[in-house]
Amino acid sequence: DQQVKQNSPSLSVQEGRISILNCDYTNSMFDYFLWYKKYPAEGPTFLISISSIKDKNEDGRFTVFLNKSAKHLSLHIVPSQPGDSAVYFCAASQGGKLIFGQGTELSVKP
Amino acid sequence: DTEVTQTPKHLVMGMTNKKSLKCEQHMGHRAMYWYKQKAKKPPELMFVYSYEKLSINESVPSRFSPECPNSSLLNLHLHALQPEDSALYLCASSLGLAGNEQYFGPGTRLTVT
Repeated sequence: DQQVKQNSPSLSVQEGRISILNCDYTNSMFDYFLWYKKYPAEGPTFLISISSIKDKNEDGRFTVFLNKSAKHLSLHIVPSQPGDSAVYFCAASQGGKLIFGQGTELSVKP
Repeated sequence: DTEVTQTPKHLVMGMTNKKSLKCEQHMGHRAMYWYKQKAKKPPELMFVYSYEKLSINESVPSRFSPECPNSSLLNLHLHALQPEDSALYLCASSLGLAGNEQYFGPGTRLTVT
């Protein structure tokens, strides 16, 4: 039973355009959501987070949107850069437990 | 300093060996975590320590034994592992348990032969 789902295993975007990564969840008790970026053979790097009481959080080129009624969150990266190419995981938190989605591999082409 | 360090980077061990993985952070974080990640899969939580006490054990087999000697250190003792335990073992820390970002170390790549 997957509580956090990323339905797109991969996404390819042209440099300078917007990348939109999506994530759905089933448990309405999650109180915090996070996005991580991961390169092969490295640990995940924290990118941005959002509390369940907010609907948007922005940090530079990264914006996370939360739609609680739809149990959906998305990460927007604009403009996308080749260095953004990596696997992106969304994660949901409840009482210190992080549950990760399956990841989306983003490829930003020059 | 937002760094979590893990040693060793790579470890190869036989099924009868005993080894330990080490994790360290100096960010003043009071929660520390062990995750296991298999190839092409997301990290899966194993253990959570809060204020040096074991808070969550996700039904992990007893051949994995965590230890938190102090607020900066987290160990994972390994004994009688199976080949299917081969994975990337990730340590993370956060300020506290609720609503806090977890910062991950680079991981230890474990191979059990």
